[in-house]
Amino acid sequence: AQSVTQLGSHVSVSEGALVLLRCNYSSSVPPYLFWYVQYPNQGLQLLLKYTTGATLVKGINGFEAEFKKSETSFHLTKPSAHMSDAAEYFCAVQPNAGKSTFGDGTTLTVKP
Amino acid sequence: DTGVSQNPRHKITKRGQNVTFRCDPISEHNRLYWYRQTLGQGPEFLTYFQNEAQLEKSRLLSDRFSAERPKGSFSTLEIQRTEQGDSAMYLCASSQPTGAIRLADTQYFGPGTRLTVL
Repeated sequence: AQSVTQLGSHVSVSEGALVLLRCNYSSSVPPYLFWYVQYPNQGLQLLLKYTTGATLVKGINGFEAEFKKSETSFHLTKPSAHMSDAAEYFCAVQPNAGKSTFGDGTTLTVKP
Repeated sequence: DTGVSQNPRHKITKRGQNVTFRCDPISEHNRLYWYRQTLGQGPEFLTYFQNEAQLEKSRLLSDRFSAERPKGSFSTLEIQRTEQGDSAMYLCASSQPTGAIRLADTQYFGPGTRLTVL
């Protein structure tokens, strides 16, 4: 069975500061990994994904994530936070094509 | 590409009533997923279709829940005899798996239907 742990249900940063959202996973096979963002009362928007190839993945809105197999991690980063980044972020693992298992989410607050 | 659409966006019902939600996937996608999201948690898988075939159902999907995708295009999720515990956001996603050796299944989500059971 696969699972996702997002460390820190709430993260607060100042505008312009580094954003780091942590995601650790467990999977019986090499997984596919995803980060989604959710704004209030909306669905999930895909930020980026890791399937194969380069372990550093770049996504939309300046976000990137690095797949580290030895650490079973897929942390999300952005060098400089913007007020519009305030939202809830979900990490998901997919061991094979099919259903995804999501973490419980991290709420990002950006302070002016 | 008009994205995944879901209707209605909000539904308020009384306990014991039946409700039905509709999802229209991205047109070229052959897979369609239903997830449920409660406050403070990530989406939980309910069921998915490949074309019109329902390939997997979660244990979360009690016998009061039924989903269909009759022509392999839109899908409906029906909840019979609703309970207060059914209050949640119901999310639909669609995908078109790709990959030569191992399929990757990038799922694109709709805006969700928020159900409130009084």
